[in-house]
This record gives sequence, C-alpha cells and structure tokens, in this order.
Amino acid sequence: KAGVTQTPRYLIKTRGQQVTLSCSPISGHRSVSWYQQTPGQGLQFLFEYFSETQRNKGNFPGRFSGRQFSNSRSEMNVSTLELGDSALYLCASRLVSLRSNTEAFFGQGTRLTVV
Amino acid sequence: DQQVKQNSPSLSVQEGRISILNCDYTNSMFDYFLWYKKYPAEGPTFLISISSIKDKNEDGRFTVFLNKSAKHLSLHIVPSQPGDSAVYFCAAGLSGTYKYIFGTGTRLKVLA
Repeated sequence: KAGVTQTPRYLIKTRGQQVTLSCSPISGHRSVSWYQQTPGQGLQFLFEYFSETQRNKGNFPGRFSGRQFSNSRSEMNVSTLELGDSALYLCASRLVSLRSNTEAFFGQGTRLTVV
Repeated sequence: DQQVKQNSPSLSVQEGRISILNCDYTNSMFDYFLWYKKYPAEGPTFLISISSIKDKNEDGRFTVFLNKSAKHLSLHIVPSQPGDSAVYFCAAGLSGTYKYIFGTGTRLKVLA
C-alpha cells in the first residue's frame, strides 16, 4: 500500500512569489491535514480537509490556503511568500472512523526555502 | 500558548537501557494522545497512541503512560537501540476536531 506522497520534495522561491504544494493521501484515507515544521516550533497545524471541505484551521494568515479534490488529493497554496515561510511542510492522511480516533500518517514533506 | 510541551529538547541514553520521554499538556479536554518518531529528511512516523480512558498502552518495546490528573504522558523505550536515535514528538487531540497539537520534540540519542 503506497504511503502519503508529497510533491515536490524541495522548492526554492523568491519573496513575493506564490507556491503550490501537492499531497496524495493513502488510498482510502479521506482526511488530509497540513502542518508546518520550523526549528524549535514543532509541527504547527495549518488546516484539515475531509470530503473536499475544510473542517478545521490553525492560526495562520490568509496567505495560506488549501483545497481537496474529489479523489482526496490535496493542495496547499502560499501567496506573497515571506522569508519566514521557509519550513518543512508536511501532509498527513487519516482513515476517518466514527467509532474511534485514528492516527495520522505523514508524507516526507516539502522543504520550502524562500530567498 | 503552547498547549503541548516537551521540556527536554534532548536526551542521551546508553544502548540497552530505558529511554523515558516526557510530555505535558494544559488542555484537560484532550482525549487522544500519540507519539511520533522523526528521522532527518523524513516525515514523522506513528509509534503508539493512547486514549484518555486508559492509563497505559504497550506495543513491543514501546509503552506510553498517561496520567490525566497531572496532565502528563511519557513514552518508555526498553531496551533502547541505536536505531531509536531520532526526534520524538508527542501530540494531543480532541475527538471531533480533526487536528493534533504537537510538542516541540525531544531529540533522543542512543549511544552504542
């Protein structure tokens, strides 16, 4: 069974540009979440999608947005990039169960560098 | 406000001994807790989880303990192996909110 796939693995962008990151979840997983990891800050929750709907959002500015497609694949977009947006962006998918909590499975991440 | 805290940024343990990683949380509504391991240049890998209705969960060399009154959980690795050297993150979740709050991580180094 294929894991969570994120593309691209590495990106270098210039301040002011925009970027789109892609995530393909594990087959059958309909929940996709995005996290930002920076040194010393751990993983910060960005947002979560299920059935093409954003169900929860973290404390990030509106420059960060996302969407989910009918096949559960998700994209994250960051507009007007700032130097502080340099980070590892992680996508995680989950099998949603009404009866119990389930763990999230992470992709390898996209390393974004803003120069 | 950091709702999930891992106060030890690093920990060194001899191979074969026990590793104990700690995590504290502030929101008593959290009802699901997880531990992840992360190697450099890879995404976090799920290790073990525990529901708030339990106080212990065991999976092979890994055991997670939950003390709800102290709002504290810990991960025990016995025996520790050099391959366990990684950054360990604890995470807490609230049923129905579909997101996890992560700690800042503890770097474990197991010395051969």
